[in-house]
Amino acid sequence: GENVEQHPSTLSVQEGDSAVIKCTYSDSASNYFPWYKQELGKRPQLIIDIRSNVGEKKDQRIAVTLNKTAKHFSLHITETQPEDSAVYFCAAPSSGSARQLTFGSGTQLTVLP
Amino acid sequence: KAGVTQTPRYLIKTRGQQVTLSCSPISGHRSVSWYQQTPGQGLQFLFEYFSETQRNKGNFPGRFSGRQFSNSRSEMNVSTLELGDSALYLCASSQGANTGELFFGEGSRLTVL
Repeated sequence: GENVEQHPSTLSVQEGDSAVIKCTYSDSASNYFPWYKQELGKRPQLIIDIRSNVGEKKDQRIAVTLNKTAKHFSLHITETQPEDSAVYFCAAPSSGSARQLTFGSGTQLTVLP
Repeated sequence: KAGVTQTPRYLIKTRGQQVTLSCSPISGHRSVSWYQQTPGQGLQFLFEYFSETQRNKGNFPGRFSGRQFSNSRSEMNVSTLELGDSALYLCASSQGANTGELFFGEGSRLTVL
């Protein structure tokens, strides 16, 4: 099955700085890589995803890059704000199904004012 | 459009009991997935149902089961509860495409004493 590793487990940045979270995956057949944000006591919510036919995708202050050769993908958040503080999870599909996701262990991002 | 609804939100059980959790997906969504979230193991896939059929199953013992009804509502059941079953159980619905956003509910927090 798929194995997803995520680093770092905790990350503190000053407001306005950038944050980068990295994930690696094991199944070379995986073709869909979502990122979910979970605020304290709330449900996980999709913030951005990327498919294997593109190398980078941006949505305002958030971007995701994918390196299929190295089997890793990263989340980049620029101009961080206090409301970006949350746990971020990367994921990859298991058994080829995006409805069966293997999640990384999560990164607790804290944006210091 | 109403989101994913899970009931009950909180429950306390004792070892050996059984529990049933319910999930109502977003209207029109035919796929329902269940995930277990714990501090130690993170988010782990339990199973997924599509059109009343179990499509995928995670690596959990047979005490964990589920079903889906013709209106796409889903239930999961855990029998012979163990202390380690204490967790947040998250349900997620999707339209059913092989790649696409999972919409999570708020979860059912189970405490086993």
